[in-house]
Amino acid sequence: EIVLTQSPGALSLSPGEGATLSCRASQSVRNNYLAWYQQKPGQAPRPLIHGASSRATGIPDRFSGSGSGTDFTLTITRLEPEDFAVYYCQQYGSSPYTFGQGTKLEIK
Amino acid sequence: QVQLVESGGGVVQPGTSLRLSCEASGFTFSTYGMHWVRQAPGKGLEWVSFIWSDGSDKYYAESVKGRFAISRDDSKNTLYLQMNSLRGEDTAMYYCVRGYCSGGNCREAYWGQGILVTVSS
Repeated sequence: EIVLTQSPGALSLSPGEGATLSCRASQSVRNNYLAWYQQKPGQAPRPLIHGASSRATGIPDRFSGSGSGTDFTLTITRLEPEDFAVYYCQQYGSSPYTFGQGTKLEIK
Repeated sequence: QVQLVESGGGVVQPGTSLRLSCEASGFTFSTYGMHWVRQAPGKGLEWVSFIWSDGSDKYYAESVKGRFAISRDDSKNTLYLQMNSLRGEDTAMYYCVRGYCSGGNCREAYWGQGILVTVSS
């Protein structure tokens, strides 16, 4: 089983600042099949990134994904008020298709 | 547009069974693998199960293996999750999720809005 470890667990930033979220896999993710999600309270997760670096439909370009193998990053430039949420990574390269534990992005 | 609508949730007693359904529309259901993902109250996301587009292979999380069964009916564009021997720790919002890839073409997954299952005596 691939264990995904997200860091930091929580991040306090102000609107307008940039955020860097990390997702580290315990073994290489096949084909870099790594996705990022944003979740707000009471809502289903919203797809942001798939294939490590491809933005999902309708996602603004201030969100970008990078990385390969075992180390992946979600970068959010110029934080907007609506960006404060919980972010999860998921690997879909091999079963079980595990999620990271999440990073909570809070307003400072 | 892609729509996934879950149904069949509710409050059940420990040890009993429940079957969730997910009706899909807006895409060619038979060409996509499908997942179930759950989220316990106040907790993170947990992948539960996956079925290939042709139903030939099915995968389960260790926490549900032997108790849950995933299936699909392509004639009805519907995904199912049969949940047996339910436990308190199965209490969660259950999401139906369209898989990432179809015929080698990969894109983002699509999620339903979720259905709540509560296991309590």
